[in-house]
Amino acid sequence: QQQVKQSPQSLIVQKGGISIINCAYENTAFDYFPWYQQFPGKGPALLIAIRPDVSEKKEGRFTISFNKSAKQFSLHIMDSQPGDSATYFCAAKNGAGSYQLTFGKGTKLSVIP
Amino acid sequence: NAGVTQTPKFQVLKTGQSMTLQCAQDMNHEYMSWYRQDPGMGLRLIHYSVGAGITDQGEVPNGYNVSRSTTEDFPLRLLSAAPSQTSVYFCASSPQGFGGYTFGSGTRLTVV
Repeated sequence: QQQVKQSPQSLIVQKGGISIINCAYENTAFDYFPWYQQFPGKGPALLIAIRPDVSEKKEGRFTISFNKSAKQFSLHIMDSQPGDSATYFCAAKNGAGSYQLTFGKGTKLSVIP
Repeated sequence: NAGVTQTPKFQVLKTGQSMTLQCAQDMNHEYMSWYRQDPGMGLRLIHYSVGAGITDQGEVPNGYNVSRSTTEDFPLRLLSAAPSQTSVYFCASSPQGFGGYTFGSGTRLTVV
């Protein structure tokens, strides 16, 4: 049973546009929600993360919006650039004391000039 | 710091062969794990370890074996390779208290 549902599977955005990737979860014990960015042939790298007591976190052009009541969180990439073209994974940590992350299935983002 | 180092980067095996994927980290991370990545399936946890001498199964452990004799190393053994094990394998580590994962660059395995 997939515990973190990610959408869309793929996304094409014009340069300068806003990319939005959504994730939903069911387990209310999740206590940390990171996003990972993966370029072809590379391992995933931590992009930005949020804890459930915060509704929004912004780092440069990347913003996480978190809706605890709806059990949803999303990644917004402002002013998307061709260099942002990558696969993005959302994840959730399985509660206090746990190290385990449950990952979404990924979104392949293509930013076209 | 090298971070998380995986070897080899590419490997082709014949069905039934065994092999070990190596993972080493130099950050003194307590937690180490192995994931496999398949198209449309995301990252699925195979095995993990919360310290030397301690290992446990993840979501897809069948056909794989692990051990953790030192903090630095966490090898993944394929006992008898099957075509279904064709995948990209990632090792990841995290410090005590959890500080996010550091991933290796992956091993692309093909079983023919």
